[in-house]
Amino acid sequence: EAGVAQSPRYKIIEKRQSVAFWCNPISGHATLYWYQQILGQGPKLLIQFQNNGVVDDSQLPKDRFSAERLKGVDSTLKIQPAKLEDSAVYLCASSPSQTVNTEAFFGQGTRLTVV
Amino acid sequence: GENVEQHPSTLSVQEGDSAVIKCTYSDSASNYFPWYKQELGKRPQLIIDIRSNVGEKKDQRIAVTLNKTAKHFSLHITETQPEDSAVYFCAATEAGTALIFGKGTTLSVSS
Repeated sequence: EAGVAQSPRYKIIEKRQSVAFWCNPISGHATLYWYQQILGQGPKLLIQFQNNGVVDDSQLPKDRFSAERLKGVDSTLKIQPAKLEDSAVYLCASSPSQTVNTEAFFGQGTRLTVV
Repeated sequence: GENVEQHPSTLSVQEGDSAVIKCTYSDSASNYFPWYKQELGKRPQLIIDIRSNVGEKKDQRIAVTLNKTAKHFSLHITETQPEDSAVYFCAATEAGTALIFGKGTTLSVSS
């Protein structure tokens, strides 16, 4: 089974620039998550999608972050404008079930450095 | 919302010793408790999980215990090996919601 695919793997941008990350979940997985992992910390949820609907975006800084999941498959996460504190690894994860908690499968992540 | 506390933040053991990592959670509705291992520069990967209807689960050298009354759960690794060195994260969630992670424990196993 193919895993969760993310791109790019690395990105360096200057503060106030914009950046976008892409995620392709495991085929058939209904639920998709974006997490932010700052160095030395655990993953922090940014947004959860169920198919193409948002379930939880309470931790997403909506003044600068946006995310969408078109057609309930691929997803993009955008930051505009970026701040220094946005430097982190952005992890996408997916899981198969909508109602029963099961394993979340993570992608390799995108390491963002804002300078 | 759910809050997960994890300790210790770092743990150093000798090869062959046991390692124990503990987590507490705040939301009594949480019913699924996975543990993830993350090696340097790699993705988090599930190593074991437990649901609230079970008190203990074992898989070879690793085991997880859950105390619902006290709202805490623990990871036990026996006969540690150098390849067990990594960062371990606990998480908690209830049905339909996202995993909430602890801050992680860096385990170092020296030979």
